[in-house]
Amino acid sequence: QVQLLESGPGLVKPSETLSLTCALSGDSFRSYYWSWIRQPPGKGLQWIGYIYYSGDTSYNPSLESRVTISVDTSKNQFSLKMTSVTAADTAVYYCARLGGRSDSWFDPWGQGILVNVSS
Amino acid sequence: SYELTQPPSVSVSPGQTATITCSGDKLEKKYAYWYQHKPGQSPVLVVYQDTKRPSGIPERFSGSNSGNTATLTISGTQALDEADYYCQVWDSSTLYVFGTGTRVTVL
Repeated sequence: QVQLLESGPGLVKPSETLSLTCALSGDSFRSYYWSWIRQPPGKGLQWIGYIYYSGDTSYNPSLESRVTISVDTSKNQFSLKMTSVTAADTAVYYCARLGGRSDSWFDPWGQGILVNVSS
Repeated sequence: SYELTQPPSVSVSPGQTATITCSGDKLEKKYAYWYQHKPGQSPVLVVYQDTKRPSGIPERFSGSNSGNTATLTISGTQALDEADYYCQVWDSSTLYVFGTGTRVTVL
Protein backbone atom coordinates (compact mmCIF):
# COMPACT_ATOMS: atom_id res chain seq x y z
CA GLN A 1 0.00 0.00 0.00
CA VAL A 2 1.37 3.38 -1.02
CA GLN A 3 2.01 5.76 1.84
CA LEU A 4 3.27 9.32 1.76
CA LEU A 5 4.43 11.23 4.83
CA GLU A 6 5.32 14.91 4.94
CA SER A 7 7.84 16.30 7.40
CA GLY A 8 9.50 19.61 8.13
CA PRO A 9 9.29 22.70 10.35
CA GLY A 10 5.84 23.85 11.34
CA LEU A 11 6.97 27.44 11.73
CA VAL A 12 8.96 29.55 9.27
CA LYS A 13 9.85 33.21 9.57
CA PRO A 14 8.83 35.69 6.88
CA SER A 15 11.41 36.13 4.10
CA GLU A 16 13.01 32.78 4.94
CA THR A 17 12.87 29.47 3.04
CA LEU A 18 10.25 26.81 3.65
CA SER A 19 11.64 23.27 3.32
CA LEU A 20 9.52 20.12 3.39
CA THR A 21 10.18 16.46 2.63
CA CYS A 22 7.81 13.71 1.55
CA ALA A 23 8.79 10.12 2.32
CA LEU A 24 7.40 7.41 0.07
CA SER A 25 6.79 3.79 1.05
CA GLY A 26 5.11 0.94 -0.78
CA ASP A 27 5.79 2.20 -4.29
CA SER A 28 8.54 2.98 -6.75
CA PHE A 29 9.45 6.53 -7.69
CA ARG A 30 10.02 5.47 -11.28
CA SER A 31 6.40 4.63 -12.03
CA TYR A 32 4.74 7.96 -11.37
CA TYR A 33 5.10 11.68 -10.97
CA TRP A 34 5.16 13.23 -7.49
CA SER A 35 3.54 16.46 -6.51
CA TRP A 36 3.06 19.13 -3.85
CA ILE A 37 -0.29 20.80 -3.21
CA ARG A 38 -1.28 23.27 -0.50
CA GLN A 39 -4.39 24.61 1.19
CA PRO A 40 -4.30 27.96 3.01
CA PRO A 41 -6.62 28.17 6.02
CA GLY A 42 -10.22 28.60 4.91
CA LYS A 43 -9.29 28.45 1.23
CA GLY A 44 -9.15 25.92 -1.57
CA LEU A 45 -6.47 23.63 -2.95
CA GLN A 46 -3.55 24.98 -4.98
CA TRP A 47 -1.18 22.83 -7.04
CA ILE A 48 2.46 23.79 -6.44
CA GLY A 49 4.41 21.53 -8.78
CA TYR A 50 5.56 18.03 -9.66
CA ILE A 51 8.73 16.03 -10.23
CA TYR A 52 9.59 12.81 -12.04
CA TYR A 53 12.35 10.49 -10.83
CA SER A 54 14.53 11.70 -13.69
CA GLY A 55 14.37 15.22 -12.28
CA ASP A 56 11.85 16.53 -14.80
CA THR A 57 9.84 19.23 -13.02
CA SER A 58 6.92 21.54 -13.65
CA TYR A 59 5.60 24.31 -11.45
CA ASN A 60 2.51 26.44 -10.98
CA PRO A 61 3.28 29.58 -13.00
CA SER A 62 2.19 31.76 -10.08
CA LEU A 63 4.79 30.18 -7.76
CA GLU A 64 7.51 29.15 -10.20
CA SER A 65 9.97 31.91 -9.29
CA ARG A 66 10.09 30.81 -5.62
CA VAL A 67 9.70 27.03 -5.77
CA THR A 68 12.10 24.14 -6.28
CA ILE A 69 11.15 20.46 -6.08
CA SER A 70 13.87 17.84 -5.94
CA VAL A 71 14.01 14.07 -5.57
CA ASP A 72 16.33 11.66 -3.78
CA THR A 73 15.54 8.19 -5.10
CA SER A 74 18.12 6.55 -2.83
CA LYS A 75 16.13 7.75 0.18
CA ASN A 76 12.73 7.32 -1.48
CA GLN A 77 11.79 10.92 -0.83
CA PHE A 78 11.19 14.18 -2.60
CA SER A 79 11.38 17.71 -1.30
CA LEU A 80 9.91 21.18 -1.64
CA LYS A 81 11.74 24.45 -1.15
CA MET A 82 9.91 27.76 -1.27
CA THR A 83 11.90 30.96 -0.87
CA SER A 84 10.96 34.41 0.45
CA VAL A 85 7.85 33.21 2.23
CA THR A 86 5.16 35.53 3.55
CA ALA A 87 2.07 35.04 5.69
CA ALA A 88 0.21 34.18 2.48
CA ASP A 89 2.25 30.97 2.31
CA THR A 90 0.74 29.74 5.58
CA ALA A 91 -1.06 26.54 4.61
CA VAL A 92 -1.40 22.80 5.00
CA TYR A 93 1.07 21.30 2.53
CA TYR A 94 0.30 17.92 1.01
CA CYS A 95 2.42 15.62 -1.10
CA ALA A 96 0.63 13.32 -3.53
CA ARG A 97 1.23 10.80 -6.28
CA LEU A 98 0.38 12.04 -9.77
CA GLY A 99 -0.50 9.49 -12.43
CA GLY A 100 1.18 11.23 -15.35
CA ARG A 101 2.84 14.34 -16.71
CA SER A 102 -0.40 15.77 -18.04
CA ASP A 103 -4.13 15.24 -17.71
CA SER A 104 -3.85 13.04 -14.66
CA TRP A 105 -5.00 12.83 -11.08
CA PHE A 106 -3.62 12.96 -7.55
CA ASP A 107 -3.94 9.72 -5.61
CA PRO A 108 -3.09 9.02 -2.86
CA TRP A 109 -2.25 12.05 -0.74
CA GLY A 110 -0.13 12.37 2.37
CA GLN A 111 -1.68 13.38 5.67
CA GLY A 112 -0.55 16.98 5.24
CA ILE A 113 1.61 19.25 7.36
CA LEU A 114 0.63 22.69 8.62
CA VAL A 115 3.25 25.37 8.04
CA ASN A 116 2.81 28.74 9.68
CA VAL A 117 4.75 31.72 8.41
CA SER A 118 5.18 34.08 11.32
CA SER A 119 7.87 36.00 13.15
CA SER B 1 -5.23 31.32 -16.80
CA TYR B 2 -7.86 28.61 -16.65
CA GLU B 3 -10.40 28.82 -13.83
CA LEU B 4 -12.96 26.44 -12.38
CA THR B 5 -15.98 27.71 -10.47
CA GLN B 6 -18.04 25.71 -7.98
CA PRO B 7 -20.97 26.74 -5.78
CA PRO B 8 -19.73 27.44 -2.24
CA SER B 9 -22.27 25.16 -0.62
CA VAL B 10 -24.85 22.48 -1.29
CA SER B 11 -27.33 21.19 1.26
CA VAL B 12 -29.04 17.82 0.98
CA SER B 13 -31.29 15.65 3.12
CA PRO B 14 -30.15 12.13 3.99
CA GLY B 15 -31.10 9.68 1.26
CA GLN B 16 -31.54 12.41 -1.35
CA THR B 17 -29.32 13.33 -4.29
CA ALA B 18 -26.59 15.94 -4.04
CA THR B 19 -25.47 17.61 -7.26
CA ILE B 20 -22.18 19.53 -7.32
CA THR B 21 -21.24 21.51 -10.40
CA CYS B 22 -17.89 22.68 -11.72
CA SER B 23 -17.85 25.30 -14.47
CA GLY B 24 -15.05 26.20 -16.85
CA ASP B 25 -14.57 27.29 -20.42
CA LYS B 26 -15.11 24.37 -22.84
CA LEU B 27 -14.74 22.03 -19.86
CA GLU B 28 -16.17 19.10 -21.84
CA LYS B 29 -12.91 19.04 -23.85
CA LYS B 30 -10.97 18.23 -20.71
CA TYR B 31 -11.12 15.35 -18.25
CA ALA B 32 -12.58 16.30 -14.85
CA TYR B 33 -11.49 14.77 -11.58
CA TRP B 34 -13.23 15.03 -8.20
CA TYR B 35 -11.90 14.87 -4.64
CA GLN B 36 -13.65 14.52 -1.29
CA HIS B 37 -11.96 16.39 1.56
CA LYS B 38 -13.09 15.91 5.15
CA PRO B 39 -11.78 18.13 7.98
CA GLY B 40 -8.48 16.92 9.39
CA GLN B 41 -8.06 14.30 6.67
CA SER B 42 -6.31 14.24 3.32
CA PRO B 43 -8.32 14.58 0.10
CA VAL B 44 -9.58 11.39 -1.53
CA LEU B 45 -10.14 10.88 -5.26
CA VAL B 46 -13.77 9.87 -5.87
CA VAL B 47 -14.10 10.28 -9.66
CA TYR B 48 -11.48 10.34 -12.42
CA GLN B 49 -11.64 10.92 -16.18
CA ASP B 50 -15.14 12.40 -15.89
CA THR B 51 -17.05 9.24 -14.99
CA LYS B 52 -14.81 6.55 -13.54
CA ARG B 53 -14.74 5.51 -9.88
CA PRO B 54 -11.54 4.33 -8.15
CA SER B 55 -11.78 1.01 -6.40
CA GLY B 56 -13.32 1.34 -2.97
CA ILE B 57 -15.45 4.37 -3.85
CA PRO B 58 -19.18 3.65 -3.39
CA GLU B 59 -21.41 3.45 -6.45
CA ARG B 60 -23.48 6.37 -5.17
CA PHE B 61 -20.71 8.67 -6.46
CA SER B 62 -20.96 9.39 -10.17
CA GLY B 63 -19.68 12.01 -12.57
CA SER B 64 -20.50 13.58 -15.91
CA ASN B 65 -19.07 16.31 -18.11
CA SER B 66 -20.85 18.24 -20.85
CA GLY B 67 -20.51 21.69 -22.36
CA ASN B 68 -18.96 24.02 -19.80
CA THR B 69 -19.97 22.02 -16.73
CA ALA B 70 -18.76 18.89 -15.00
CA THR B 71 -21.04 17.40 -12.37
CA LEU B 72 -20.50 15.16 -9.37
CA THR B 73 -23.65 13.42 -8.20
CA ILE B 74 -24.05 11.68 -4.86
CA SER B 75 -27.12 9.47 -4.90
CA GLY B 76 -28.67 8.38 -1.62
CA THR B 77 -26.45 10.81 0.29
CA GLN B 78 -25.31 9.66 3.71
CA ALA B 79 -24.16 11.66 6.71
CA LEU B 80 -20.61 10.43 6.13
CA ASP B 81 -20.61 12.14 2.72
CA GLU B 82 -20.53 15.52 4.43
CA ALA B 83 -17.29 17.11 3.23
CA ASP B 84 -15.74 19.64 0.87
CA TYR B 85 -15.58 18.55 -2.76
CA TYR B 86 -13.13 19.87 -5.33
CA CYS B 87 -13.01 19.41 -9.07
CA GLN B 88 -9.68 19.42 -10.92
CA VAL B 89 -8.55 19.56 -14.53
CA TRP B 90 -5.34 19.80 -16.49
CA ASP B 91 -4.90 22.80 -18.77
CA SER B 92 -2.04 23.19 -21.24
CA SER B 93 -1.13 26.68 -19.98
CA THR B 94 -2.22 26.72 -16.34
CA LEU B 95 -1.33 23.03 -15.85
CA TYR B 96 -3.09 21.54 -12.81
CA VAL B 97 -6.09 23.54 -11.62
CA PHE B 98 -8.52 22.96 -8.77
CA GLY B 99 -12.02 24.32 -8.50
CA THR B 100 -13.06 26.71 -5.76
CA GLY B 101 -14.60 23.93 -3.69
CA THR B 102 -18.13 23.07 -2.52
CA ARG B 103 -19.12 22.26 1.04
CA VAL B 104 -21.79 19.56 1.13
CA THR B 105 -23.95 19.63 4.22
CA VAL B 106 -26.25 16.71 5.01
CA LEU B 107 -29.16 18.12 7.00
